[in-house]
Amino acid sequence: DSGVTQTPKHLITATGQRVTLRCSPRSGDLSVYWYQQSLDQGLQFLIQYYNGEERAKGNILERFSAQQFPDLHSELNLSSLELGDSALYFCASSAETGGQDEQYFGPGTRLTVT
Amino acid sequence: QKEVEQDPGPLSVPEGAIVSLNCTYSNSAFQYFMWYRQYSRKGPELLMYTYSSGNKEDGRFTAQVDKSSKYISLFIRDSQPSDSATYLCAMSANRGSTLGRLYFGRGTQLTVWP
Repeated sequence: DSGVTQTPKHLITATGQRVTLRCSPRSGDLSVYWYQQSLDQGLQFLIQYYNGEERAKGNILERFSAQQFPDLHSELNLSSLELGDSALYFCASSAETGGQDEQYFGPGTRLTVT
Repeated sequence: QKEVEQDPGPLSVPEGAIVSLNCTYSNSAFQYFMWYRQYSRKGPELLMYTYSSGNKEDGRFTAQVDKSSKYISLFIRDSQPSDSATYLCAMSANRGSTLGRLYFGRGTQLTVWP
């Protein structure tokens, strides 16, 4: 158990809908990262938050947004869902924001868009 | 060209064999190198973390980094059926706007048979 929690574990929804994925980092970690894992793209970085502020953006679609709250939990919002958004979404956390920090991953949310 | 290249396998070995997993990369800014183990559709689990060039050993696992060749390896000695999983290499930079984000290889699927 990495100490990173994610809810829900599974999500099945229809095209055009909006969903929210939730992540709680390990105790004491200030950074939260979101990654998407699909069969054809592998693990792709989406976005990073550090202590409530957006720190870095990857290949995140404009339909996706995220935020980190004062208690450091984070939410990833996916809207106008398409079939291609079906994937595993992972949250990771680290103590600080540098490249030297070890990142620990949560169990993931499996999103299926029908 | 992807920034991190990893042979997806699959790799199938008998119990007790020495396993060698490898990745190459193109970005000279990468300074931190990790290996994650991922069981089927679970969250990646951090196995090894190394900084810059050199070797690191932890039990049956040895990680090697050769920055001059932009090549990293993970060796598993006395492999066990419980080692059957997908192994992902990952790396991060020590500078720049993408500081902290991980770049992953596609993963190598390993099966250790009894």
